[in-house]
Amino acid sequence: GAGVSQSPSNKVTEKGKDVELRCDPISGHTALYWYRQRLGQGLEFLIYFQGNSAPDKSGLPSDRFSAERTGESVSTLTIQRTQQEDSAVYLCASSLVVSQPDTQYFGPGTRLTVL
Amino acid sequence: AQKITQTQPGMFVQEKEAVTLDCTYDTSDQSYGLFWYKQPSSGEMIFLIYQGSYDEQNATEGRYSLNFQKARKSANLVISASQLGDSAMYFCAMRGLNAGKSTFGDGTTLTVKP
Repeated sequence: GAGVSQSPSNKVTEKGKDVELRCDPISGHTALYWYRQRLGQGLEFLIYFQGNSAPDKSGLPSDRFSAERTGESVSTLTIQRTQQEDSAVYLCASSLVVSQPDTQYFGPGTRLTVL
Repeated sequence: AQKITQTQPGMFVQEKEAVTLDCTYDTSDQSYGLFWYKQPSSGEMIFLIYQGSYDEQNATEGRYSLNFQKARKSANLVISASQLGDSAMYFCAMRGLNAGKSTFGDGTTLTVKP
């Protein structure tokens, strides 16, 4: 079946503009995660959704970042008033449930460049 | 809080030889899972292997095995019979039981030489 998809694959924006990144999880996966990966570094957790439970937003770096998910489908990560330090690859992952063993399947990422 | 440490920024291995990538972790959770992912230059994250904290046996998946030493809080990845296609960045990660948040290390770049 289809894997996790993300759009756009690349986004170039000007400082101060808002951007929306989209993630389509694998069908039937109840859990969805967003991560940020700066160049040459590991992944930073941003936010995770599990079914209808309140999302874990503990990784969002500032109030300029927000994310939504409708049910168990698409999620949108929004970055308002982008800054140059927001430049990174934003990775989305989904998993069947949040329990062990639990494998997260990653999308190809959105490369964000803030000029 | 959880922390993953990968002390080898870069590693080289000769084709067909085995290589060990180091990973140590710190957590106050009693139950947790440890994961290894491969990230080729294309950027995709590929799940390799999983070890549960209460698993008594080391996990194995084909050429990958995880050398889990709970008392030392280490979860090293062993790749046997290295192939040129194994050249990539490798990340160690952990999560608590029923927790969504995963903590990743900074990664190790593995280069397989022909």
